[in-house]
Amino acid sequence: RKEVEQDPGPFNVPEGATVAFNCTYSNSASQSFFWYRQDCRKEPKLLMSVYSSGNEDGRFTAQLNRASQYISLLIRDSKLSDSATYLCVVTFNTNAGKSTFGDGTTLTVKP
Amino acid sequence: DTEVTQTPKHLVMGMTNKKSLKCEQHMGHRAMYWYKQKAKKPPELMFVYSYEKLSINESVPSRFSPECPNSSLLNLHLHALQPEDSALYLCASSQDATVGKLFFGSGTQLSVL
Repeated sequence: RKEVEQDPGPFNVPEGATVAFNCTYSNSASQSFFWYRQDCRKEPKLLMSVYSSGNEDGRFTAQLNRASQYISLLIRDSKLSDSATYLCVVTFNTNAGKSTFGDGTTLTVKP
Repeated sequence: DTEVTQTPKHLVMGMTNKKSLKCEQHMGHRAMYWYKQKAKKPPELMFVYSYEKLSINESVPSRFSPECPNSSLLNLHLHALQPEDSALYLCASSQDATVGKLFFGSGTQLSVL
């Protein structure tokens, strides 16, 4: 079993739709959680850190459920510019410096 | 300045060449990383430097040799690469190795002929 698993996608949604991605992690000694966005042939860019209390940034909401060991990303009112690959990233207390990436979920927002 | 700068952006090299990738950050970050990314795959960790010392080597072949001359610079020396080493090489930095918030450079697209 992979340490971090994501919905494989692809997700194809119309503009204005709400879409949610999930990511599960297997190591309970987890420390930090992030969502990154990566456009085609570009570097990953930090989208959001994820906290147990949940956090929101405009149309994006991230949630962490430690008991069930998953994190989620909700995108409301999807825009064409949201089309990208979304990477779930987890770091573990036991291995400082080693962030584990999920395989990514590809989102395509269509007009 | 929240930028990580990588050079060159593109590199084509033969299997007998020696080349170097360079990375620079001026955010005062004390951890720097090299990742390798193949198409449609997530980034794969190669090396971590923490306070200018190599702290993680993910069993990378010796034809890849990292170097951290100072806290702002990170190099990756390449020698006798194989065609399967062709990939996007990403440098990243973070405040320190315990903080997982990574800032990536735009990468070097490497082709080995």
